[in-house]
Amino acid sequence: AQSVTQLGSHVSVSEGALVLLRCNYSSSVPPYLFWYVQYPNQGLQLLLKYTTGATLVKGINGFEAEFKKSETSFHLTKPSAHMSDAAEYFCAVSKSGGGADGLTFGKGTHLIIQP
Amino acid sequence: DAGVTQSPTHLIKTRGQQVTLRCSPISGHKSVSWYQQVLGQGPQFIFQYYEKEERGRGNFPDRFSARQFPNYSSELNVNALLLGDSALYLCASSLAPTRSNEKLFFGSGTQLSVL
Repeated sequence: AQSVTQLGSHVSVSEGALVLLRCNYSSSVPPYLFWYVQYPNQGLQLLLKYTTGATLVKGINGFEAEFKKSETSFHLTKPSAHMSDAAEYFCAVSKSGGGADGLTFGKGTHLIIQP
Repeated sequence: DAGVTQSPTHLIKTRGQQVTLRCSPISGHKSVSWYQQVLGQGPQFIFQYYEKEERGRGNFPDRFSARQFPNYSSELNVNALLLGDSALYLCASSLAPTRSNEKLFFGSGTQLSVL
């Protein structure tokens, strides 16, 4: 079984400040890890993913995340927050190799950007 | 190219009724997955279909069913609606089920309200 824990249901940062959204996972097999963003009244958009290889993954809109197996973490960061980053962010895990079990999502973190 | 399209965008039903939600995948995508997103929670996997066959199922009761058509579009049916079925229902498409979770494209969802 797999699970995802996102620490902090709400995170508030000032525009231009560092964004750090925390995600810890549990998986009995090597995981695939994902971050998705959801804007109001929209579906989910993939920000970045880790499957194999380099543990530091770069995504769209300046976001990146680092897979740390020893800490079972996959935290999302962005050096400088922009007002347009305000949204709901979801961390997700799936079995490596895909398969038909779908993604397991965390409960989400609402990112608030203060002007 | 059109993305994943879902219809209707909003729906209001009463307890005990039945509902059908529709999804058209991105052209060329043969796999469709359904997710339920309750307010304040992350999406939860319901089904995955590929080539008109169910390839995966999440922990949902038999009141939930789905099918996929020869043109790869899909319908999600929910019978005997309960208040707890109120949620945003997301459809996602991908090229194939194998490693499909690596790249899911989500629609904007159908918001179902059960009164």
